[in-house]
Amino acid sequence: GAGVSQSPSNKVTEKGKDVELRCDPISGHTALYWYRQSLGQGLEFLIYFQGNSAPDKSGLPSDRFSAERTGGSVSTLTIQRTQQEDSAVYLCASSLEGLLGDSSSNTEAFFGQGTRLTVV
Amino acid sequence: AQTVTQSQPEMSVQEAETVTLSCTYDTSENNYYLFWYKQPPSRQMILVIRQEAYKQQNATENRFSVNFQKAAKSFSLKISDSQLGDTAMYFCAFMKRPPNFGNEKLTFGTGTRLTIIP
Repeated sequence: GAGVSQSPSNKVTEKGKDVELRCDPISGHTALYWYRQSLGQGLEFLIYFQGNSAPDKSGLPSDRFSAERTGGSVSTLTIQRTQQEDSAVYLCASSLEGLLGDSSSNTEAFFGQGTRLTVV
Repeated sequence: AQTVTQSQPEMSVQEAETVTLSCTYDTSENNYYLFWYKQPPSRQMILVIRQEAYKQQNATENRFSVNFQKAAKSFSLKISDSQLGDTAMYFCAFMKRPPNFGNEKLTFGTGTRLTIIP
């Protein structure tokens, strides 16, 4: 596609419900990242995929958070039993071969417009 | 662990003036990369400029330039001839250089909200 696409743009959910956030990376991009941006904060790293595998899950805040990527393309971030502190903008990014590939053209991460999650 | 600090939560400047955004970082790594990202109200993060730590020459991209001071662990962004379209949140980010091909995560600062006044 033309850019990284995230859906939904906005999601309001009740505390305790599960939510799924979707990320469609740029076609051909092998690396995919999830970040969380809380109000007044910077971007907090959650997880990164290279192809379908996740070498770095260190940022997932609890076992209620999980993510998968299938076919080396679309990724889904799932939050189970949502809590009010999960409210944030969830950003996805992709890059061609990883943020620091051999070519300088591979060093840029392209971000989606994010999903704003509100837990009430 | 790396940390990135942006000590200016908000800044404003008149159109056409020059503005400098500050960023400091803390790391024990010797090989790394630094970035400035812009986030307009649309929420989409856009890469503004990047700097390789092993390069002494400061990176420039048109009206955007950096002042990279490795010993001081400082990485400021200068915007010259500021334009209304420069109004956005600006994030400084750090990434350590991976030992092999691949990548590492970006560590972001908390951002500076820049407003260009007409």
